[in-house]
Amino acid sequence: QLQLQESGPGLVKPSETLSLTCTVSGGSISSSSYYWGWIRQPPGKGLEWIGSIYYSGSTYYNPSLKSRVTISVDTSKNQFSLKLSSVTAADTAVYYCASLSIAVAGAHFQHWGQGTLVTVSS
Amino acid sequence: QSVLTQPPSVSGAPGQRVTISCTGSSSNIGAGYDVHWYQQLPGTAPKLLIYGNSNRPSGVPDRFSGSKSGTSASLAITGLQAEDEADYYCQSYDSSLSGSRVVFGGGTKLTVL
Repeated sequence: QLQLQESGPGLVKPSETLSLTCTVSGGSISSSSYYWGWIRQPPGKGLEWIGSIYYSGSTYYNPSLKSRVTISVDTSKNQFSLKLSSVTAADTAVYYCASLSIAVAGAHFQHWGQGTLVTVSS
Repeated sequence: QSVLTQPPSVSGAPGQRVTISCTGSSSNIGAGYDVHWYQQLPGTAPKLLIYGNSNRPSGVPDRFSGSKSGTSASLAITGLQAEDEADYYCQSYDSSLSGSRVVFGGGTKLTVL
């Protein structure tokens, strides 16, 4: 059973870059079965997809965040990472990493990390 | 404002049946993209409940079922139990002139009376 765990600073200053890493265990990040994604949830609000990556490095970003987001993968460490630049208070959220199973007519998030709260504040 | 529209809340008594709707448009559900459902218990990460419109992952009780028709989808829960009290989210894919992306509904809070 795949397990995912987010890690990174819980507090980021406005205008700086948020950086998180997701470590995958119980399976290989190089598996052809999955893409890997980041989703966030502001306190008391709904879910928002940030972006996804394949082990080959192909990336897909939410158009509303694309100018500020970079997702990368490190197959040697079985990890993938998120960088979100120029953060504001609106980026305060619980950030989840997840495995993404792709099908002909779409994709769903099969395994989720426990989530990590990132607060943007000076 | 979410691309997929869900009712903010639904409620039901133990043992009853409730349904949660998820309304989209011609650029997502109506375009033939699958709908998936997640259950989020208080203080926890979302959990996959239904994938590919109507498929249950291993371990999900058959009290949960999903369906899709036209530009909408529904999640039905029968034999409601106290442990079902949670937030439920639908998810699909949207492709339009403004780009392609994974989209979620705004979420529905289920209260078991």
